[in-house]
Amino acid sequence: GQNIDQPTEMTATEGAIVQINCTYQTSGFNGLFWYQQHAGEAPTFLSYNVLDGLEEKGRFSSFLSRSKGYSYLLLKELQMKDSASYLCAVVHNTNAGKSTFGDGTTLTVKP
Amino acid sequence: DTGVSQNPRHKITKRGQNVTFRCDPISEHNRLYWYRQTLGQGPEFLTYFQNEAQLEKSRLLSDRFSAERPKGSFSTLEIQRTEQGDSAMYLCASTFLLGGGEKLFFGSGTQLSVL
Repeated sequence: GQNIDQPTEMTATEGAIVQINCTYQTSGFNGLFWYQQHAGEAPTFLSYNVLDGLEEKGRFSSFLSRSKGYSYLLLKELQMKDSASYLCAVVHNTNAGKSTFGDGTTLTVKP
Repeated sequence: DTGVSQNPRHKITKRGQNVTFRCDPISEHNRLYWYRQTLGQGPEFLTYFQNEAQLEKSRLLSDRFSAERPKGSFSTLEIQRTEQGDSAMYLCASTFLLGGGEKLFFGSGTQLSVL
């Protein structure tokens, strides 16, 4: 079966750095997505990792270790608008849309 | 390109009634997905289409649920004889199949409340 774990909630201060972890146990692995979802809105794509290592994209970076079944999303220079839920999604085969999503980590950024 | 559009945004219905939701994907996308999301949880896969063909349905999808994508463009999701447990956000997403790693473009969802 598929099991994805993320912390339920995190709080950080504006301007700081926060790391959101995701661990997974799945049958078959073909990459991992991170999506951002503001309350009442659609999830939007942040990053995709299929090989081990760090992918950097502006203030956001994502890391993957396939051998450890572990990923993290790193957010730098936090802004108030970064308050949202962050979803980790594992792709099991070549069908990226049939990903299994974690329950999301709700990040609250405080002044 | 206006993105993925879903209608209605909100639907309140009484138990036992039928409801239908519509999704208009990004025009050049050949894959369309339906998900269900409840508060505090991630989206759960329900079904997907490649062009007009429905290729897979989740075991979560009971016989009361049916989806169509008649011309390979927009899709509808119908729930018959709604139950209170059907209350959720129903999300549609689309992508263009390239062979793996395609990011999904989500619509804003239809929030269903069954009274």
